[in-house]
Amino acid sequence: EVQLVESGGGLVQPGGSLRLSCAASGFTFSSYAMHWVRQAPGKGLEYVSAISSNGGSTYYANSVKGRFTISRDNSKNTLYLQMGSLRAEDMAVYYCAREGIGSSGFDYWGQGTLVTVSS
Amino acid sequence: IQLTQSPSSLSASVGDRVTITCRASQGISSYLAWYQQKPGKAPKLLIYAASTLQSGVPSRFSGSGSGTDFTLTISSLQPEDFATYYCQQLNSYPPFTFGPGTKVDIK
Repeated sequence: EVQLVESGGGLVQPGGSLRLSCAASGFTFSSYAMHWVRQAPGKGLEYVSAISSNGGSTYYANSVKGRFTISRDNSKNTLYLQMGSLRAEDMAVYYCAREGIGSSGFDYWGQGTLVTVSS
Repeated sequence: IQLTQSPSSLSASVGDRVTITCRASQGISSYLAWYQQKPGKAPKLLIYAASTLQSGVPSRFSGSGSGTDFTLTISSLQPEDFATYYCQQLNSYPPFTFGPGTKVDIK
């Protein structure tokens, strides 16, 4: 069974840092591109970041570029999102998602982890 | 690439036929997916490649379109279908942008 389990969310002060993790199981993690998507309270889905299957290519939304870093450890079947210089507008539930083969949508999602940015 | 959805919300009754439209700011071939999200839950993939039903999704859901105009149809709305629906384009890599969502609630 495919599972994605996020962790690392919590309360952080503005300007602070946090690292999210997404532990994958039930599939060959190293064969899939992975993504982070976030959702602010009461808002829609916002695409945040992407990483290719081997980690060689990454992408960041303009809203997080220069502050967030996506990475993966294929030996540990884990995806990461290092978040820095956090702002109030970064407060959201963060989901990791697997990209299906052939850009066939995000076929599996984690349960989400809440990041709260507040003093 | 920007996506718009219409309507932003709708009220419908069980058994109704529901249609949601997604429009892309430029052509995306058939690289479009639809998701269903219920409160407090992660999104669930319903349809990919504009019209291919994801495994396990009921056949009352269908998708159509190509280029810039796409449609998600629920042929007979069921109680468990009340949710928010999002389209997503996967043509340009990346970002794989999402539409703003359409909330379907009970009339």
